[in-house]
Amino acid sequence: GESVGLHLPTLSVQEGDNSIINCAYSNSASDYFIWYKQESGKGPQFIIDIRSNMDKRQGQRVTVLLNKTVKHLSLQIAATQPGDSAVYFCAELGVGNTDKLIFGTGTRLQVFP
Amino acid sequence: DAGVTQSPTHLIKTRGQQVTLRCSPKSGHDTVSWYQQALGQGPQFIFQYYEEEERQRGNFPDRFSGHQFPNYSSELNVNALLLGDSALYLCASSPGHPVGSQYFGPGTRLLVL
Repeated sequence: GESVGLHLPTLSVQEGDNSIINCAYSNSASDYFIWYKQESGKGPQFIIDIRSNMDKRQGQRVTVLLNKTVKHLSLQIAATQPGDSAVYFCAELGVGNTDKLIFGTGTRLQVFP
Repeated sequence: DAGVTQSPTHLIKTRGQQVTLRCSPKSGHDTVSWYQQALGQGPQFIFQYYEEEERQRGNFPDRFSGHQFPNYSSELNVNALLLGDSALYLCASSPGHPVGSQYFGPGTRLLVL
């Protein structure tokens, strides 16, 4: 399959600290990217998106950075809270005018007090 | 405003059986995509329906089929179930084409024994 993720990397942060979750995407022609949060037993929840004509976009407590040169995305969460604990996935929209999302390897975020 | 809903939430089947999963998209959305998520992995695209037709398909065998109804709801059918079909099946809806953000339902957990 196109999505990899047999081993889920984990990021542990202390409550109140900032978190940075990284993602490498596969296709330089992709022009739309989304970050999803998935809590245990639930479906992925939309967090923030960004188009390839931007390199930064901010939401509430979250910022997405896009570096097209190295095909890299990052999600920054400010003042991380226990409720932020989840698995985070980046997804890219497949090229060729397709609506197929290709998910990257998820990262488990653990927030401890 | 109801989000994406899926039924049933859980299902247990035996090898060789057939299963039908159902999805109702978010209000105002007319495009439905189905994904399979194995444990510890990111979702993998199965197929997408728009205007009651399969618009795109991922790398899944013909045992996986679907349907979209005039009210935009959708079904996923899997025939001749294999143990490896055990997974979380996610439905995502989006508002037409070109697709914007896809919003996911809670998923149906299928266990094949």
